[in-house]
Amino acid sequence: AQTVTQSQPEMSVQEAETVTLSCTYDTSENNYYLFWYKQPPSRQMILVIRQEAYKQQNATENRFSVNFQKAAKSFSLKISDSQLGDTAMYFCAFGNNAGNMLTFGGGTRLMVKP
Amino acid sequence: NAGVTQTPKFQVLKTGQSMTLQCAQDMNHEYMSWYRQDPGMGLRLIHYSVGAGITDQGEVPNGYNVSRSTTEDFPLRLLSAAPSQTSVYFCASSPGQGRQPQHFGDGTRLSIL
Repeated sequence: AQTVTQSQPEMSVQEAETVTLSCTYDTSENNYYLFWYKQPPSRQMILVIRQEAYKQQNATENRFSVNFQKAAKSFSLKISDSQLGDTAMYFCAFGNNAGNMLTFGGGTRLMVKP
Repeated sequence: NAGVTQTPKFQVLKTGQSMTLQCAQDMNHEYMSWYRQDPGMGLRLIHYSVGAGITDQGEVPNGYNVSRSTTEDFPLRLLSAAPSQTSVYFCASSPGQGRQPQHFGDGTRLSIL
């Protein structure tokens, strides 16, 4: 079984600054996928970024990037030029190779301050 | 294109009542799943299906039943509601294969009194 740990229950950042959210996971699988999901107050689950474990290159999506360290089983999310709309819960998730299940961390509540 | 549609959005039940949460997707996805989200926690997998007629248990299946008679629909049944099942329930679908992200519905907030 997989476990996902997000050690920062809450974080805050000033608008336009950069913030990094931490995530570690544990698994015995070699092929898997990692995701960051955003959940605003509207409750929707919105995919932010994904990373294939077999790829060494870190994924980027506009202002969002990850630092994937496979040996350390670490998958942090960096948000650059933070915007007020980034205020939300952020969940790190482990996806198995078969694609039939996700294991989520407990979440980090991010507040972007004006 | 509606994506993943969950009904109802809110529901209040009394202990012991039964209920079915509906989930439908119009993306022709093979995989569908149900998760629950308790306050201050991440989502936990209840049941999942990799195709019509195929279902399996996730991390927290007790007290819930599922069936998948069509590709589009994946209802979740609460057999005898208990206060511990008060939660927000999310349905998700994906085309299959691990690299494909799951698409989530907007959730159903369920309260059991």
